[in-house]
Amino acid sequence: ETGVTQSPTHLIKTRGQQVTLRCSSQSGHNTVSWYQQALGQGPQFIFQYYREEENGRGNFPPRFSGLQFPNYSSELNVNALELDDSALYLCASSQPGLAPQSEQFFGPGTRLTVL
Amino acid sequence: AQTVTQSQPEMSVQEAETVTLSCTYDTSESDYYLFWYKQPPSRQMILVIRQEAYKQQNATENRFSVNFQKAAKSFSLKISDSQLGDAAMYFCAYRRSGNQFYFGTGTSLTVIP
Repeated sequence: ETGVTQSPTHLIKTRGQQVTLRCSSQSGHNTVSWYQQALGQGPQFIFQYYREEENGRGNFPPRFSGLQFPNYSSELNVNALELDDSALYLCASSQPGLAPQSEQFFGPGTRLTVL
Repeated sequence: AQTVTQSQPEMSVQEAETVTLSCTYDTSESDYYLFWYKQPPSRQMILVIRQEAYKQQNATENRFSVNFQKAAKSFSLKISDSQLGDAAMYFCAYRRSGNQFYFGTGTSLTVIP
């Protein structure tokens, strides 16, 4: 069983640029959530995808967008990057269904630095 | 709005001793779930323990147990017989009947040999 993987590991961008982060969910998981973790903070929920549809969104502007593919992998896109977007971006997948008790399995994260 | 508060930014414990990490949360809901996650320096977040709010009994997973006080909205994590591998950031998280997780700011645990 393959765990959650994310790419790239690290990324450096400049203000105003656009970035795409990728996540492969754990085998059998159809729900993917994205989180932003600023330095010294806890993860902040960005949004979640369930069966290719957005299923809940946190307090993030529309320039944060996502996709989920038929194989349940997912992308997080951020347009018009700002310095405050510098953070660790975590992807988490969970077991079939939206049972609230289902455990989320996290990937290792992508460290994004915006200069 | 749901908020999760971890008032201890840093904690330390002697190896083999017991330590308790605190967490409080704010919610108006009656049905929800609480979690403790561990994030070692390698960054990958790992589930330590979970608690369903409707269950009176405190969850236990080997050396890890919780003290869940629903009326007080408190959810502390007790680590018994602390080991060097327990050193990490610990995050308390709340999940309501929907799909959003809310995390606290974390507690950095140091285990002293």
